[in-house]
Amino acid sequence: DIQMTQSPSSLSASVGDRVTITCRASQSISDFLNWYQQKPGKAPNLLICAASSLQSGVPSRFSGSGAGTDFTLTISGLQPEDFATYFCQQSYSTPLTFGGGTKVEIK
Amino acid sequence: EVQLLESGGGLVQPGGSLRLSCAASGFTFSSSAMSWVRQAPGKGLEWVSSIRNSGGSTHYADSVKGRFSISRDNSRNTLYLQMDSLRDEDTAIYYCAKVAGNKNGCHWFDTWGQGILVTVSS
Repeated sequence: DIQMTQSPSSLSASVGDRVTITCRASQSISDFLNWYQQKPGKAPNLLICAASSLQSGVPSRFSGSGAGTDFTLTISGLQPEDFATYFCQQSYSTPLTFGGGTKVEIK
Repeated sequence: EVQLLESGGGLVQPGGSLRLSCAASGFTFSSSAMSWVRQAPGKGLEWVSSIRNSGGSTHYADSVKGRFSISRDNSRNTLYLQMDSLRDEDTAIYYCAKVAGNKNGCHWFDTWGQGILVTVSS
C-alpha cells in the first residue's frame, strides 16, 4: 500500500499569510495526487486534481505542485473561509489512500 | 446541479448488517465510477470501495474485504454498500463520492454526498 504523509499535522496562521502544506508518498505516484478541503461537519471538497489542476470554482489563491513523491499545496493569502482541514489523496493504485490531514487554525 | 444523497445509516450491533444507499442526480450516473469513503469520529478519511460505471469491476479496502459489497443500479441512479459482519471499528460517517478522471489515468472524487452516520455498538 502507498502511504501518504502530510506535514504539518496542524498549523496556526493569520489572514493574509502564505501557507504551505506538504504531502509525501511512500513511492512514486507520478502526478496522481489530489487535494481536498474539509470544514467541520461537512463533506470534503475537491480543490486540486492531478497535482496541479485547480478544480472549477476554487479560488486561484490555491495552488498545487509536485510530482513523483513530493507534493505541495499552497494558499497564497489565507482568507477567513480557508480555516479548515486539508487532505491529500493518491489515485496511483488501490487501495486509494489519504494523508492524515493538516488542520489550519487561526493564529 | 450534481447531488448525492446517502441514506440507510443508523445504530447496529456488532455482527449485524446494514445497507447504505446513495441517490444520484444532476449527471449521467451510468457514465461515472463511484466510491464510498468513510471517516471515523475525529479521524481522517479512509477509502472503502469503488465500482466502475458498468458495475463490472469493484475494489475494496482490505479492512472491509469479504464483509462489504458495493453495487449499483444504473436504472435507479443509485449506489449501494451492503455491510455485513459489522465491527466497532466500522463506526464512521460514510460518504458516497462521484469519481472523475483524466486521460492519463488520474482519478479523483469530484462530488461528495453529505455523509451518513453508521454506529456499531452493543
